[in-house]
Amino acid sequence: DQQVKQNSPSLSVQEGRISILNCDYTNSMFDYFLWYKKYPAEGPTFLISISSIKDKNEDGRFTVFLNKSAKHLSLHIVPSQPGDSAVYFCAAAGRITNDYKLSFGAGTTVTVRA
Amino acid sequence: SAVISQKPSRDICQRGTSLTIQCQVDSQVTMMFWYRQQPGQSLTLIATANQGSEATYESGFVIDKFPISRPNLTFSTLTVSNMSPEDSSIYLCSVVIPAYGYTFGSGTRLTVV
Repeated sequence: DQQVKQNSPSLSVQEGRISILNCDYTNSMFDYFLWYKKYPAEGPTFLISISSIKDKNEDGRFTVFLNKSAKHLSLHIVPSQPGDSAVYFCAAAGRITNDYKLSFGAGTTVTVRA
Repeated sequence: SAVISQKPSRDICQRGTSLTIQCQVDSQVTMMFWYRQQPGQSLTLIATANQGSEATYESGFVIDKFPISRPNLTFSTLTVSNMSPEDSSIYLCSVVIPAYGYTFGSGTRLTVV
């Protein structure tokens, strides 16, 4: 039972434009959400996180938006750069219940075109 | 945040054999997890490595196939036993420090032939 879903397996975007990645979750006990970037043959690299007490968190080119009522979050990357080409995973945990195990989405492969 | 050294980074193994993957953390951490990423798929939690006691396995994973050791707060091993081609995956360890977040090892790419 997939509790975190990324319904878009791939995204192609022109360099300089905005990349928007979407993620939905079903477990209402999730209160902490993360985005990771992963290159082939490497471990995931943390990008940005958001706690359920917020609806937006920004770090440089990366912004994560959380809509708790819709159980939806999105990652905006602006402007997109060629080095952003990677697989992006959305992940969630229920820290409020002391459950730090991460549930991951299936990933979205982002390709940034020059 | 913590720094994790995971080894080996990759291996090619014969079916029926076993491989032990090591994770060394540069600081003491309570929470450590092992994940698997099968080709083209997401990361799936195998188990929580508990210091000084048996690991807690997720549904679909059993101790006989994936024995885990956690002798102290800085080290853990995952063994993939009696391997078959279906075990070909990337295996990752991860630690959590609540004040700092999650850190992942660089992964072990396992190919079973």
